[in-house]
Amino acid sequence: EVQLVESGGGLVQPGGSLRLSCAASGFAFRAYWMHWVRQAPGKGPVWVSRISSDGTKTSQADSVTGRFTISRDNAKNTLYLQMNSLRAEDTAMYYCGRIRDDYNGVDYWGQGTLVAVSS
Amino acid sequence: QSALTQPASVSGSPGQSITIPCTGTSSDIGGYNFVSWFQVHPGKAPKLMIYDVFTRPSGVSNRFSGSKSGNTASLTISELQAEDEADYYCGSYTSFSTGYVFGTGTEVTVL
Repeated sequence: EVQLVESGGGLVQPGGSLRLSCAASGFAFRAYWMHWVRQAPGKGPVWVSRISSDGTKTSQADSVTGRFTISRDNAKNTLYLQMNSLRAEDTAMYYCGRIRDDYNGVDYWGQGTLVAVSS
Repeated sequence: QSALTQPASVSGSPGQSITIPCTGTSSDIGGYNFVSWFQVHPGKAPKLMIYDVFTRPSGVSNRFSGSKSGNTASLTISELQAEDEADYYCGSYTSFSTGYVFGTGTEVTVL
């Protein structure tokens, strides 16, 4: 059974940092591209960042460029999102998703981890 | 890039059919057949219900069906059941640099 379990969220002050993790199991993690997506309270999901199966190609939304870094450790079946210089507008539930095709569609999601940025 | 547009809420009685529209542009829904639909129950991981406009993953009830016309995709739930009460989001490939765009979400209520 495919499972994705996010962790690392919490309450952080503006300007602070957090590192989110997404532990994958039940599939060949090293073979799949992965997304991070976030959903602010009362809003729809928004794509944050994407990484290739081998970790050599990454892309991120303009809103997080220069502050967030996506990475992965295929030996540990784990996806990461390093978030620096956090802002109030980064407050959201963060989800990792497995990309199923060449057009960025997702077939499996985790339950999410909540990030709250507030003083 | 703007999110895909969905109605905030749709409701129906048990046994009825409902349809949720998802409107985009020629850069996403209108230009490609890579539309997905996700069901989200509170506190649970989103579940893929439809991909590539109308394809159901294994295990998804055939009461769920997808379609597309122009820049608008739709999810139809037939024979509505209490367990269908959830939030539903569409998503589509986009030619913009983000690569993927989601809908604003629709809350389905079973009366």
